[in-house]
Amino acid sequence: LAKTTQPISMDSYEGQEVNITCSHNNIATNDYITWYQQFPSQGPRFIIQGYKTKVTNEVASLFIPADRKSSTLSLPRVSLSDTAVYYCLVGPMVAGGSYIPTFGRGTSLIVHP
Amino acid sequence: DAEITQSPRHKITETGRQVTLACHQTWNHNNMFWYRQDLGHGLRLIHYSYGVQDTNKGEVSDGYSVSRSNTEDLPLTLESAASSQTSVYFCASSEGTGSEAFFGQGTRLTVV
Repeated sequence: LAKTTQPISMDSYEGQEVNITCSHNNIATNDYITWYQQFPSQGPRFIIQGYKTKVTNEVASLFIPADRKSSTLSLPRVSLSDTAVYYCLVGPMVAGGSYIPTFGRGTSLIVHP
Repeated sequence: DAEITQSPRHKITETGRQVTLACHQTWNHNNMFWYRQDLGHGLRLIHYSYGVQDTNKGEVSDGYSVSRSNTEDLPLTLESAASSQTSVYFCASSEGTGSEAFFGQGTRLTVV
């Protein structure tokens, strides 16, 4: 199982773009990269997933370089409500598999007024 | 809409008592998980199940047990509650791939 490393905490201000980088040096060929967001007193929720290059949805963008050994979650123009813990996970997309989502400590993002 | 629900949301119990936390999902997922979350530790896996009648221990399984009699439910039992088990507990389910896992809203358990 690929191990992930991400910063423990980050600070930003409203309106700024925030980039959170995750390293996963031993990612396997069939692994996808998934990011979750967790607000206080709530369970984690999926925000974005990708395999390579760039993925964008209404919440965030995910940039994955060609070697796939890292990925960057980009949150455009953050607001106070983006204050949360963000987790990077790596896992295979094999139908009917036995993948266990493994969460590290994540990155605690605090957005200031 | 499919969902995953936990009950109760909050519980206070006494040391030594048996406690069961419920988890019910309507996603029809085979894979279900229980995690606990404490300050400074992130989410730690307690037990998991790949299907009916299947249960497995996670990294922090001591003092906990689960049973899987149907697809929808994975109750977590604390056999004899200890103060060290005061925590927030999350249940999750997934298809078993690296795709999205769905989490319940959590149960805050306090053992006094």
